[in-house]
Amino acid sequence: DTAVSQTPKYLVTQMGNDKSIKCEQNLGHDTMYWYKQDSKKFLKIMFSYNNKELIINETVPNRFSPKSPDKAHLNLHINSLELGDSAVYFCASSQDGQPQHFGDGTRLSIL
Amino acid sequence: GNSVTQMEGPVTLSEEAFLTINCTYTATGYPSLFWYVQYPGEGLQLLLKATKADDKGSNKGFEATYRKETTSFHLEKGSVQVSDSAVYFCALTGTQGGSEKLVFGKGTKLTVNP
Repeated sequence: DTAVSQTPKYLVTQMGNDKSIKCEQNLGHDTMYWYKQDSKKFLKIMFSYNNKELIINETVPNRFSPKSPDKAHLNLHINSLELGDSAVYFCASSQDGQPQHFGDGTRLSIL
Repeated sequence: GNSVTQMEGPVTLSEEAFLTINCTYTATGYPSLFWYVQYPGEGLQLLLKATKADDKGSNKGFEATYRKETTSFHLEKGSVQVSDSAVYFCALTGTQGGSEKLVFGKGTKLTVNP
């Protein structure tokens, strides 16, 4: 059973398009996260939701909009994609300060 | 703010060599410390953790001790295997709004040759 699953695994699209990445966790966790990993492997948090409420919103362009329809899902919508958005995006979840569980990532490539 | 500094890679070792990857941190309060591992083409997996000073985390032959006096959490393994080839990330939690925010080091790529 996959604990944190993201779709799609790969996403190739053109500059200016709008795309979404979906994340689901079946661990019953209250908190979910989005991280961005750049080409140098550096990981940085983007957003965190706790019970569907936005908790952390780092300095991320407002072209990025997270949506949490329920506590098991946290989707990431990106408008007007730019070349610099090319990265691997990781979803994660946790409960009560326990270690975060990560998905396998979505590799986004902008042409 | 909180930050993590880990040794720059890449690190290349022969099988059965001893591994150390240095990690130091800056944080307010008493963070929890973690090592995550990322195998090629995969997501991050928790390798080990320590939640208070002098705690030792261990897993799969890897160890790290939470040293408050030196603000360090160095990763060690006595005898590496080819299957240990991966990128290793040191991280800490900093709490923001009740949600545990992970702050990562830049990662250290380890290659183990047979």
